[in-house]
Amino acid sequence: QPVLTQSSSASASLGSSVKLTCTLSSGHSSYIIAWHQQQPGKAPRYLMKLEGSGTYNKGSGVPDRFSGSSSGADRYLTISNLQSEDEADYYCETWDSNTYRVFGGGTKLTVL
Amino acid sequence: EVQLVESGGGLVQPGGSLRLSCAASGFTFSSYAMSWVRQAPGKGLEWVSGFSGSGGSTYYADSVKGRFTISRDNSKNTLYLQMNSLRAEDTAVYYCAKADCSGGTCTYFDSWGQGTLVTVSS
Repeated sequence: QPVLTQSSSASASLGSSVKLTCTLSSGHSSYIIAWHQQQPGKAPRYLMKLEGSGTYNKGSGVPDRFSGSSSGADRYLTISNLQSEDEADYYCETWDSNTYRVFGGGTKLTVL
Repeated sequence: EVQLVESGGGLVQPGGSLRLSCAASGFTFSSYAMSWVRQAPGKGLEWVSGFSGSGGSTYYADSVKGRFTISRDNSKNTLYLQMNSLRAEDTAVYYCAKADCSGGTCTYFDSWGQGTLVTVSS
């Protein structure tokens, strides 16, 4: 079954860029993932679907500052021109016919 | 606009039961795979249970198998989660989530409810 690994925390300055990583376990490097954002005290929000080719499709209303890319088993979420409202937890998700749904442990992003 | 509104959470004693509901609107409910996802205090997201895209199959995380039952009433556009034999470790915010479905294949969650808090404590 797939396992998603994320760094527990990241930080970057206001107006800068940050790249968050979600790594798929061995044997699952071709899997498509989704990124979700959870601002403090709020429900998760779908950001984008990201394929192994690097092709991504964003949800409605997601700012252009958010983009995705891939390299091997790694799936990236890049946020440019960081804003204070980007301070949140970011989760990756994937799916499998056996385990059905899997989430990564989440990355807490701090905007300095 | 897709809307998912959970209800039914509250305080329950260990060993007790609770039924959560998720009222859906803004899409053809019967055509989409739906799931419950929970988040314990200060922890990450954990998928709990879900329906397949056809609605014919149900799935459960090992942590709740045999204790929780997912169901849906397509005539009422409502998803349910019956939780029995509750434990302290079931304490969490429970979210209802809708999957993106296309051509019979359902994939990532593209919509989330606001969540309902379940507290299991004596």
